[in-house]
Amino acid sequence: GAGVSQSPSNKVTEKGKDVELRCDPISGHTALYWYRQRLGQGLEFLIYFQGNSAPDKSGLPSDRFSAERTGESVSTLTIQRTQQEDSAVYLCASSLVVLGSWLSETQYFGPGTRLLVL
Amino acid sequence: DAKTTQPPSMDCAEGRAANLPCNHSTISGNEYVYWYRQIHSQGPQYIIHGLKNNETNEMASLIITEDRKSSTLILPHATLRDTAVYYCIVRKYGNQFYFGTGTSLTVIP
Repeated sequence: GAGVSQSPSNKVTEKGKDVELRCDPISGHTALYWYRQRLGQGLEFLIYFQGNSAPDKSGLPSDRFSAERTGESVSTLTIQRTQQEDSAVYLCASSLVVLGSWLSETQYFGPGTRLLVL
Repeated sequence: DAKTTQPPSMDCAEGRAANLPCNHSTISGNEYVYWYRQIHSQGPQYIIHGLKNNETNEMASLIITEDRKSSTLILPHATLRDTAVYYCIVRKYGNQFYFGTGTSLTVIP
């Protein structure tokens, strides 16, 4: 069974360009999360998808950031008009949410995409 | 909001037990304590979680104080591969995990 995979593993882009980051969750996992980790800092929550519910976008830092997920499969995080402060590792995680026991759900993380905006 | 406090760094001799403390004095009754670790250049890895009872698995033990205001992650026989940043997380509302800056554990040969 494969774990969470992300692509690309590294991305270098110029300021002002758009980038798309992809996450393939563990098959059957209903929940998917995106996080950002700047150099030397902890993880910062960005967005959360759970089944067919409306996503929790409360962590997105600006309207340049958006994410989509089709059903319970692949998710794409898009950053428009990238800025140098967007340089970070973007991590995706997935989990299996069992009704009635969401508090004890465990997230499984992908290896991340290292984004460098020049 | 429930928050965790951890020492920024710790050292441990190889083969000895590593005891990583975490304070979470504002934890709510239905919030779990989770521990993850992140080895350099990799994504975070789940270690263990608990509510109020002590927990043990193949990786570690989790000791939670009776008032639940603090906990300790114990790696019983630390190896060089345990060198990583260890995050103590209290589960907030919904399904979000809020990570702090963690404790950077260095296992010394």
